[in-house]
Amino acid sequence: DQQVKQNSPSLSVQEGRISILNCDYTNSMFDYFLWYKKYPAEGPTFLISISSIKDKNEDGRFTVFLNKSAKHLSLHIVPSQPGDSAVYFCAASEEGNKLVFGAGTILRVKS
Amino acid sequence: EPEVTQTPSHQVTQMGQEVILRCVPISNHLYFYWYRQILGQKVEFLVSFYNNEISEKSEIFDDQFSVERPDGSNFTLKIRSTKLEDSAMYFCASSSQGYEAFFGQGTRLTVV
Repeated sequence: DQQVKQNSPSLSVQEGRISILNCDYTNSMFDYFLWYKKYPAEGPTFLISISSIKDKNEDGRFTVFLNKSAKHLSLHIVPSQPGDSAVYFCAASEEGNKLVFGAGTILRVKS
Repeated sequence: EPEVTQTPSHQVTQMGQEVILRCVPISNHLYFYWYRQILGQKVEFLVSFYNNEISEKSEIFDDQFSVERPDGSNFTLKIRSTKLEDSAMYFCASSSQGYEAFFGQGTRLTVV
């Protein structure tokens, strides 16, 4: 089941710079997209979401962009901080039903 | 800040034994979920629960699994006869409207 793909297993960024995490999906019925952050041995923490009727949603240092025609979304973190180092999961749902997760991207922010 | 709480944090059980994983969702939430993550794999959906009944379940959620909301606050996942491949982190989640789901810290289940 590869409906949600995060093709970059890891990303390393210098503190203060922008982190861009990418996610692609195949199911055109998905209408809600979310990003979660996860530390080892903890549950996913909700970060930010976007409905398919929008193309951008911003919350502080986090911005999610949605390109429906390309079935692509991205999470921008700016400026990146060492505390942002974690695994980031993209997830999608259809009409508020179950979440389908990507495999995750490990973000390392170097100080 | 309201949060989803799960107990126990770690459960070790013998193969074939029954386990019950417990969750207290956020109090005003109406939608409840169980997900799991096998080590090194994706977080995968098990079951959703709304209005006192299962609203959706995955192929993983076979007859060995059941969920219950025994009172107004708890939400449980029971595995009747555990197998080695049931070893995973099990996450409970809840949502107010069925979109953003808030996850608990997880229960690490180890079947030996």
